[in-house]
Amino acid sequence: AQSVAQPEDQVNVAEGNPLTVKCTYSVSGNPYLFWYVQYPNRGLQFLLKYITGDNLVKGSYGFEAEFNKSQTSFHLKKPSALVSDSALYFCAVRLPELSGGSYIPTFGRGTSLIVHP
Amino acid sequence: DAGITQSPRHKVTETGTPVTLRCHQTENHRYMYWYRQDPGHGLRLIHYSYGVKDTDKGEVSDGYSVSRSKTEDFLLTLESATSSQTSVYFCAISDTSRGADTQYFGPGTRLTVL
Repeated sequence: AQSVAQPEDQVNVAEGNPLTVKCTYSVSGNPYLFWYVQYPNRGLQFLLKYITGDNLVKGSYGFEAEFNKSQTSFHLKKPSALVSDSALYFCAVRLPELSGGSYIPTFGRGTSLIVHP
Repeated sequence: DAGITQSPRHKVTETGTPVTLRCHQTENHRYMYWYRQDPGHGLRLIHYSYGVKDTDKGEVSDGYSVSRSKTEDFLLTLESATSSQTSVYFCAISDTSRGADTQYFGPGTRLTVL
């Protein structure tokens, strides 16, 4: 079984400040972890993923995420937020091997990021 | 958008009518998925497909059926629409060509059942 939690429904940050969007997961094995972003009236867009190796993963638009196995977390970060980063962010987890014959990730409920000018 | 289109993009229908949503991809991906997105629930998997005529249920499959007669098309049917099926529906594919597959999503279909 696998699950993912995004403990904050909304994160507010001032433009230019660092931002963090939290994600914790639960899987019985080594996870693949993903972050997606959704802008209003759009589909989800892939930001970055962790497979193995370096715990710090860099992705699109200046975002990065840190995999912490002991805390089972995969928090999304950006050193300096932009107003245009305001969107809905989803964390997802899945096991590397096929599960029931398919690649099925589990998504968190999403966190709304609001960056104030 | 990884060559994924959805049609229609918006639809308003009445309770009890059948509705079919179409997902079309141009890159020959094996895995396709249908999700619904509702406030407070995030994304929930309805059905998925792992090949032509190979489909399986997700966590919220009741009231929905799917078909995949061609690699490029994955259809979602609401046999008799209900107001609880008012939602935004997203199709996705898995790109397994680069390992640790990444999902790519279509633009969504906003369905309103009156």
